[in-house]
Amino acid sequence: DTGVSQDPRHKITKRGQNVTFRCDPISEHNRLYWYRQTLGQGPEFLTYFQNEAQLEKSRLLSDRFSAERPKGSFSTLEIQRTEQGDSAMYLCASSQDRVGGYTFGSGTRLTVV
Amino acid sequence: AQRVTQPEKLLSVFKGAPVELKCNYSYSGSPELFWYVQYSRQRLQLLLRHISRESIKGFTADLNKGETSFHLKKPFAQEEDSAMYYCALRDDDGNTGKLIFGQGTTLQVKP
Repeated sequence: DTGVSQDPRHKITKRGQNVTFRCDPISEHNRLYWYRQTLGQGPEFLTYFQNEAQLEKSRLLSDRFSAERPKGSFSTLEIQRTEQGDSAMYLCASSQDRVGGYTFGSGTRLTVV
Repeated sequence: AQRVTQPEKLLSVFKGAPVELKCNYSYSGSPELFWYVQYSRQRLQLLLRHISRESIKGFTADLNKGETSFHLKKPFAQEEDSAMYYCALRDDDGNTGKLIFGQGTTLQVKP
């Protein structure tokens, strides 16, 4: 297991297009998180899965955003009708339980032109 | 509201000088605090957490509930310490384990 993997590393898309990102967590981790990081800011929480259940969504996650984690394994984050304000680094992290720290992926950098 | 504040965007020191990266928090419950580090072109990684009371790479951080602070310290900075440092607070509302991050401080250690 090489840690948390995210794909793609970079994505450039035109405004109005849909994009989907993938995260593969550490296999034994049951908790998976998505964060967004814009330039000069720390990561901001978007959503959280415990196994396959999406248990919390931030109000940052508008209706254009949807996340899934089928079978409690990998997760996808889809953004529909992208806007320039969606340009950011999207980070995925996983953990075994709520007590320890996370393991982060390298992130997917989205640029909407 | 829960909040983490890192007042310095950039901290520049010379090699061998002491380092203190400031972090203040606002939280109504019993806080759990972390420091994460991101070296150039690497992913964000956990440096230390207050409940472990550990020293990693010479860094320590003490939780001061009276001052609501969790400053990161190292007595003698090394050039390889140059990185972005984020302080984070676990927001335990709903038992999700989600973290609230500060804006980060860039530490630059000059030779």
